[in-house]
Amino acid sequence: QQQVKQSPQSLIVQKGGISIINCAYENTAFDYFPWYQQFPGKGPALLIAIRPDVSEKKEGRFTISFNKSAKQFSLHIMDSQPGDSATYFCAASRRGGDTGRRALTFGSGTRLQVQP
Amino acid sequence: DTGVSQDPRHKITKRGQNVTFRCDPISEHNRLYWYRQTLGQGPEFLTYFQNEAQLEKSRLLSDRFSAERPKGSFSTLEIQRTEQGDSAMYLCASSPSRGDNEQFFGPGTRLTVL
Repeated sequence: QQQVKQSPQSLIVQKGGISIINCAYENTAFDYFPWYQQFPGKGPALLIAIRPDVSEKKEGRFTISFNKSAKQFSLHIMDSQPGDSATYFCAASRRGGDTGRRALTFGSGTRLQVQP
Repeated sequence: DTGVSQDPRHKITKRGQNVTFRCDPISEHNRLYWYRQTLGQGPEFLTYFQNEAQLEKSRLLSDRFSAERPKGSFSTLEIQRTEQGDSAMYLCASSPSRGDNEQFFGPGTRLTVL
């Protein structure tokens, strides 16, 4: 069961353009939605995260838009740069009862290529 | 460097051999997670520690896999009798117990089973 669906699988954007990656989730118990950036051979790095009590969060060139009723959230990268070329993963988590566990459920990833 | 570290970075082994990976989390983080990532996919949760206690294991974690976190510091993940299907990147992440519980990932250990 794929609990977090991510699209597109790959994306090519010109330098200076806007990159948009979308995710949809099924489990309404999810209450934390981070985005991670991963370069080849490296571990994922946290970019930005949002909770469902807000509809938008912006940090620098990165913005998360969140639609709780549609169970969708998206990452917008403004003024995309060649250095942004990487794989981006959306994820979701919920509190795991008394254990405090917050294992992340990841989407399948979007490979972004920003052309100079 | 105060981030999460993992050792080794790469491991090549023959089918049937045992392998062990190590993760050193960020020092003040009491929560530690192991994930597995196969090529072209997102990471999948394997197991979770709070301090030294292993509180949850995914159904992906077969009985050939065992993880420990003695004294609540570093953690090890052992795979016994490796199979070709175990080839993947094994990622460790740590998080504090407060705040939004952001998880910080290590660079991973790339396992290749021949």
